[in-house]
Amino acid sequence: TQLLEQSPQFLSIQEGENLTVYCNSSSVFSSLQWYRQEPGEGPVLLVTVVTGGEVKKLKRLTFQFGDARKDSSLHITAAQPGDTGLYLCAGAWFLRTGANNLFFGTGTRLTVIP
Amino acid sequence: EPEVTQTPSHQVTQMGQEVILRCVPISNHLYFYWYRQILGQKVEFLVSFYNNEISEKSEIFDDQFSVERPDGSNFTLKIRSTKLEDSAMYFCASSATGTGGYEQYFGPGTRLTVT
Repeated sequence: TQLLEQSPQFLSIQEGENLTVYCNSSSVFSSLQWYRQEPGEGPVLLVTVVTGGEVKKLKRLTFQFGDARKDSSLHITAAQPGDTGLYLCAGAWFLRTGANNLFFGTGTRLTVIP
Repeated sequence: EPEVTQTPSHQVTQMGQEVILRCVPISNHLYFYWYRQILGQKVEFLVSFYNNEISEKSEIFDDQFSVERPDGSNFTLKIRSTKLEDSAMYFCASSATGTGGYEQYFGPGTRLTVT
């Protein structure tokens, strides 16, 4: 059974603070994707990481894929109220058909207080 | 910007009835997926579809479920005889092939309520 655990489950911080969200698994993934989901809406893709040790930046968001491709982190610098939402990581394995089924983590619900 | 669309946004049905959820993937994508999310739980993989056949399916995707790509644009999920536990948000996703083909883009979802 593939299991992706995210921590913390809930995080409430003041505007301007930094934070890190973790995504851990005992399985090795071909790629790992980070999504953000608003209530009642579909997940919105933020970034995909593929190579072990890879670091990607998206404005104030920094994503890192672990060297062994089992874990990932999302770091937000100077959080703003607009960052409030549910952050999901999802691991994928490439299939011979080219499809890659995603297995989602449990999510981290972030609240940034103005 | 191209996006995945889904209809209806909300479907209410009685237990035992058949429902069809519809999706229009991004036009140049070749891989299609259905996921579901029961309220308060994580997103779960149901099925992937490529080249007009199922690529892989999860344990959730039993004989009550089927998928079809009836024409060049639509991708449907059918539940033959709905159960109360089928109530959930159903998300369609699609991905392209080749470089970057592993990125999946999700639709806004269909909320299915079985009464």
